[in-house]
Amino acid sequence: KNQVEQSPQSLIILEGKNCTLQCNYTVSPFSNLRWYKQDTGRGPVSLTIMTFSENTKSNGRYTATLDADTKQSSLHITASQLSDSASYICVVSGDSNYQLIWGAGTKLIIKP
Amino acid sequence: DAGVTQSPTHLIKTRGQQVTLRCSPKSGHDTVSWYQQALGQGPQFIFQYYEEEERQRGNFPDRFSGHQFPNYSSELNVNALLLGDSALYLCASSWERDRGRYDSPLHFGNGTRLTVT
Repeated sequence: KNQVEQSPQSLIILEGKNCTLQCNYTVSPFSNLRWYKQDTGRGPVSLTIMTFSENTKSNGRYTATLDADTKQSSLHITASQLSDSASYICVVSGDSNYQLIWGAGTKLIIKP
Repeated sequence: DAGVTQSPTHLIKTRGQQVTLRCSPKSGHDTVSWYQQALGQGPQFIFQYYEEEERQRGNFPDRFSGHQFPNYSSELNVNALLLGDSALYLCASSWERDRGRYDSPLHFGNGTRLTVT
């Protein structure tokens, strides 16, 4: 069964600290993996998209890694800011860009 | 450059009623997808419209139906509302010619929060 599992479910860190969010998937075939940021009550916004041939991709303070062999991805946030408080959702695409399997997300709270 | 817009932003209905949600895609986009997002969960794919036809459908009952207009805007209709239909309904748009591009992200609106009482 195609699944995307994220951990932790929620995370609280202090402003300025780094954190890493995890994503494990069992989707096959695999096309690409995306990380989205979703502020409360808003639509998701794309952070990164990676194919199986890409190991890492950065977007400002956000760095995503992908290990296609172990089917794991991580999202590392550096020097966190209060505006980073949001849900971060891992999404895996199967054999077309519109067969997307969504994780439940990690709720990140940044405290001053 | 207008992004994806959805209306209304909030809606309260009672069980058994019918509801229509609306979406205008990002300028230049011709494909619209609808998602249901329950609290604390990731979005669940409802269906996708292209060229005014439903092209793909997720695991949702026939109570969920949609429409796409010639200007690419779209409506989501839900009949015989149940309490479990309470959720954030998201519209995402994309460009059909980007369909095969792995690096083409979906553009989401901010959703309609539907509460069924």
